[in-house]
Amino acid sequence: GAVVSQHPSWVICKSGTSVKIECRSLDFQATTMFWYRQFPKQSLMLMATSNEGSKATYEQGVEKDKFLINHASLTLSTLTVTSAHPEDSSFYICSERGGPTDTQYFGPGTRLTVL
Amino acid sequence: AQTVTQSQPEMSVQEAETVTLSCTYDTSESNYYLFWYKQPPSRQMILVIRQEAYKQQNATENRFSVNFQKAAKSFSLKISDSQLGDTAMYFCAFMKQGGSEKLVFGKGTKLTVNP
Repeated sequence: GAVVSQHPSWVICKSGTSVKIECRSLDFQATTMFWYRQFPKQSLMLMATSNEGSKATYEQGVEKDKFLINHASLTLSTLTVTSAHPEDSSFYICSERGGPTDTQYFGPGTRLTVL
Repeated sequence: AQTVTQSQPEMSVQEAETVTLSCTYDTSESNYYLFWYKQPPSRQMILVIRQEAYKQQNATENRFSVNFQKAAKSFSLKISDSQLGDTAMYFCAFMKQGGSEKLVFGKGTKLTVNP
C-alpha cells in the first residue's frame, strides 16, 4: 500500500500558539487527503477532506478558521491548529486515498498536547 | 447516511486460536467498499483487508478472512492462528464507491491475544 508520513509525531505547545502538522505522500500523488482526530479509546472522527489545489471541505462542527488545511501539492497537505487551547489536545491522523483501489492509507499520526 | 456497528467493544483470544470480530452496516448504496483496519498500541492505522461489494467471493489475506453477507449487511473478520502481534483495536469501515468519498468507521473492537 501507499506510504504516508506525518511530521511532527509529537508536539507540545503553549496555549494561544499555532501548530502546523505536515502530511506527506511518499510514493503516490494524492489528489485527496483526509484529516482525522482521535480521542483516547475512541474511533476516528473525520475533520476535513483536502483536495489538491482547492479549498478543503470541512465536516459539520469543525471550525474552518481554527483548523486551517492547505493542500498545495500532490504530495503535501498541512493542518494548522491556530490559537491552540488545551481542548485541542488530541491525536491527529492524515490519510491519502489513492491508486486504483480507492483505499485510504494512513499516516502514523501526530500527538498534540496544548499546555 | 451510512452507519457501521461493531457490537463487541472488547474481545480476547488465546494465542494460536481463532477469533471472529463482528460488523454490521446500514446503507442504501449498491456500490461500496468495506474495510477492516487495525490500530496497534503504536496507533498507526494499518489496512487488514478490503472487500468490494460487487464481489461475491470473500476476501482473504493470509490469516485474515472475511465473511461478507451483502443481504444481511454483515462483514465479520476472522483471524486464524492468532498471534500476540494481533493485539490491537480493530475498526470496520464503509466507503461509497466513486469520487472523494469518505470512510465511515465503527467504534472499534479491542482485541487482546493472550499467551
